[in-house]
Amino acid sequence: AQSVSQHNHHVILSEAASLELGCNYSYGGTVNLFWYVQYPGQHLQLLLKYFSGDPLVKGIKGFEAEFIKSKFSFNLRKPSVQWSDTAEYFCAGSAGGTSYGKLTFGQGTILTVHP
Amino acid sequence: DAGVIQSPRHEVTEMGQEVTLRCKPISGHDYLFWYRQTMMRGLELLIYFNNNVPIDDSGMPEDRFSAKMPNASFSTLKIQPSEPRDSAVYFCASSLDYVRQARGPDTQYFGPGTRLTVL
Repeated sequence: AQSVSQHNHHVILSEAASLELGCNYSYGGTVNLFWYVQYPGQHLQLLLKYFSGDPLVKGIKGFEAEFIKSKFSFNLRKPSVQWSDTAEYFCAGSAGGTSYGKLTFGQGTILTVHP
Repeated sequence: DAGVIQSPRHEVTEMGQEVTLRCKPISGHDYLFWYRQTMMRGLELLIYFNNNVPIDDSGMPEDRFSAKMPNASFSTLKIQPSEPRDSAVYFCASSLDYVRQARGPDTQYFGPGTRLTVL
């Protein structure tokens, strides 16, 4: 079955620390991968997405993610976090073909950044 | 564009009552999705539509749940009768269809959600 898993439930960092949130997927065939963010009290917003091409994807607000097919991973990174990055982060995947659009979300990782 | 619009934003009801959640997708989008978010189960896809036609409803938890999309600009998710375990945030999302153009899946744009509490 298709699945997406996130390693950490809650990550706590100080401002300027580097961030890496883990995401692993289990899909057969072509996979499309996404990172969404949900700021407190707000709806989900797309940070970045990968479906082909360069495995290093750059998104908004200084975030990037690397698709490593051999490791079935799509980890999210940011070199220096800010207090405003405090939010919940979701990795999600979808398969092409008849499963188009059907996103499967990971459990989410809550990021708390202390000033 | 105003984005995906959902109403109501908050709903408190008693067990056994009918609940109707509403969604207006972004104009011109081809796909509409209904998700449910709970602490225990995270974000789950309930059902999605393509050009107003339900494509996959395998995530709908039980027969008490039903969804319709009578036209391209409106969808409803109905729970009848509601139960306390239905308490959750329900999100609607919409997206364009770029599959035929081989550009890959387009971003799903989420609405603000409806926080449902069933007492």
